[in-house]
Amino acid sequence: KQEVTQIPAALSVPEGENLVLNCSFTDSAIYNLQWFRQDPGKGLTSLLLIQSSQREQTSGRLNASLDKSSGRSTLYIAASQPGDSATYLCASVVASKIIFGSGTRLSIRP
Amino acid sequence: EAGVTQFPSHSVIEKGQTVTLRCDPISGHDNLYWYRRVMGKEIKFLLHFVKESKQDESGMPNNRFLAERTGGTYSTLKVQPAELEDSGVYFCASSRTGGNTGELFFGEGSRLTVL
Repeated sequence: KQEVTQIPAALSVPEGENLVLNCSFTDSAIYNLQWFRQDPGKGLTSLLLIQSSQREQTSGRLNASLDKSSGRSTLYIAASQPGDSATYLCASVVASKIIFGSGTRLSIRP
Repeated sequence: EAGVTQFPSHSVIEKGQTVTLRCDPISGHDNLYWYRRVMGKEIKFLLHFVKESKQDESGMPNNRFLAERTGGTYSTLKVQPAELEDSGVYFCASSRTGGNTGELFFGEGSRLTVL
């Protein structure tokens, strides 16, 4: 049974710092992995989707990597801004079943 | 292009009552998913439609939950009778291609409070 874990559960850093959010999964037979952000009281916004054949995806200041052999994905945020404050979730797809991690609550201090 | 829309945004009902949540996926998306997040827990899969057919409903908690997608467009999720533990946020998502490779687009969620 696939389990997805995100560490840390919460993170607070000063504005301008680069940071890394971690996601680990137990079943390496994933089809893809997707990173989302959720703002309080809002839905999930897709950030990056990495297919199983890919190793990384980039969008602006965000870079997500995928290492299936070690069961890990990281989301790198460069030059963090207060507007990046949100909860970040990763979700893995295994045989059409989508499993979410519990999220990392990120706070960027001005 | 309109995103995934859900209605209502918030519903407060008493234990034993019935509630119906609605989801309108992005036009042209054959795949529709329901998820829920109960207090303090991670988001969990409920079920997956491909057009009007239930592809996977293994996440449905019990027979008090009924999901339909007549005509393969919008979907409803009915909870009858509602129990206290059903409180949470119910998310709907859609994708153009199947869950194996398709990017998911989520609605804002419907918050259900059962008193």
